[in-house]
Amino acid sequence: GENVEQHPSTLSVQEGDSAVIKCTYSDSASNYFPWYKQELGKRPQLIIDIRSNVGEKKDQRIAVTLNKTAKHFSLHITETQPEDSAVYFCASHLYNQGGKLIFGQGTELSVKP
Amino acid sequence: EAGVTQFPSHSVIEKGQTVTLRCDPISGHDNLYWYRRVMGKEIKFLLHFVKESKQDESGMPNNRFLAERTGGTYSTLKVQPAELEDSGVYFCASSLRTGGLDLNEQFFGPGTRLTVL
Repeated sequence: GENVEQHPSTLSVQEGDSAVIKCTYSDSASNYFPWYKQELGKRPQLIIDIRSNVGEKKDQRIAVTLNKTAKHFSLHITETQPEDSAVYFCASHLYNQGGKLIFGQGTELSVKP
Repeated sequence: EAGVTQFPSHSVIEKGQTVTLRCDPISGHDNLYWYRRVMGKEIKFLLHFVKESKQDESGMPNNRFLAERTGGTYSTLKVQPAELEDSGVYFCASSLRTGGLDLNEQFFGPGTRLTVL
């Protein structure tokens, strides 16, 4: 079945620096890749997503890139701020498999002021 | 608009006891999903309802877990009897179902933290 690997598991950056989180997936039939942010004690919330017919998507300070050939996708956060500190999860969805999401292991991002 | 709600927020039970978790999806969302995160690992899919029907229950660990969604509104997930390895955070998520597709944003609930002693 589909497997999603996420790296790194923890990431610490200085405020203002960029942060990059990478995920790889195993099934080439995956067609949708959302990223969720979970702040401490809160629910996971969708921050950005990308579909397989697009290579890059940007929303203010966050962007996601997708390389279908290599089967990997990445989250880029620029000009990080302390409020970006959270656990970030990548996920993939297999075509024609209902809405089931396969998640990565999560990355705990810490932005130091 | 009210978000996905889950009850209880925390539950501590002893091995062998029964626990029932409840999820109320966003009104009008036909899709309802249960996920679980164990010991800081990945969030793992358990099952997917479309209205009251189980669309996919491939992630259910074993027959100690029973999910229902009577009437296609709220859902319950019962664990009976609970084992130590069932401890974790159980998330519910819901989404719209448009045109028979399920690629709309999944909105997550706050989760139920289950501890089995």
